[in-house]
Amino acid sequence: NAGVTQTPKFQVLKTGQSMTLQCAQDMNHNSMYWYRQDPGMGLRLIYYSASEGTTDKGEVPNGYNVSRLNKREFSLRLESAAPSQTSVYFCASRAIGRNNEQFFGPGTRLTVL
Amino acid sequence: GQQVMQIPQYQHVQEGEDFTTYCNSSTTLSNIQWYKQRPGGHPVFLIQLVKSGEVKKQKRLTFQFGEAKKNSSLHITATQTTDVGTYFCAGVGFQKLVFGTGTRLLVSP
Repeated sequence: NAGVTQTPKFQVLKTGQSMTLQCAQDMNHNSMYWYRQDPGMGLRLIYYSASEGTTDKGEVPNGYNVSRLNKREFSLRLESAAPSQTSVYFCASRAIGRNNEQFFGPGTRLTVL
Repeated sequence: GQQVMQIPQYQHVQEGEDFTTYCNSSTTLSNIQWYKQRPGGHPVFLIQLVKSGEVKKQKRLTFQFGEAKKNSSLHITATQTTDVGTYFCAGVGFQKLVFGTGTRLLVSP
């Protein structure tokens, strides 16, 4: 099993450009999440999808949109990138079981100039 | 909304010294989870605590959940260079986690 995969690993955008970050999991998890990580601020939830066909806003949703394409895939779109969106983006999926832990992808390092 | 704070933000120890990070929530937690993130890596689940006053051990790591379920701690005995990374607590809410700000641990040999 690959677990949670993310593409791309690195990206540089100019202000105003758009892009989509891709995430896929092969663990048959229902719930998927997008976080951003900035120095000293921990992980902040952008959007999540509790199940296929549903999405909900997290703590910092402004400037982002998401699509739960199917049970495996959950994408994050920046319609008009801004320098404040420079960050490391992590996708995660959640196991339902004894611990309900989240499994994280390797991250996408995004720089907006 | 719920806030989870961790202290210290950063700690630098010599190998063999002990280390503790503390996690405090503004609200009562149902459960709390701990994650470790190595430099340049992604967060990896360590443990979940569920019961008030619960104490769990994983080798040199000891995790505690406060009696009021509003705080938690992670203690590492005799740190090793492999313990380097950032440790996050996360409050378990409905369908989602609220992560603490993290404690970055640096261990010098």
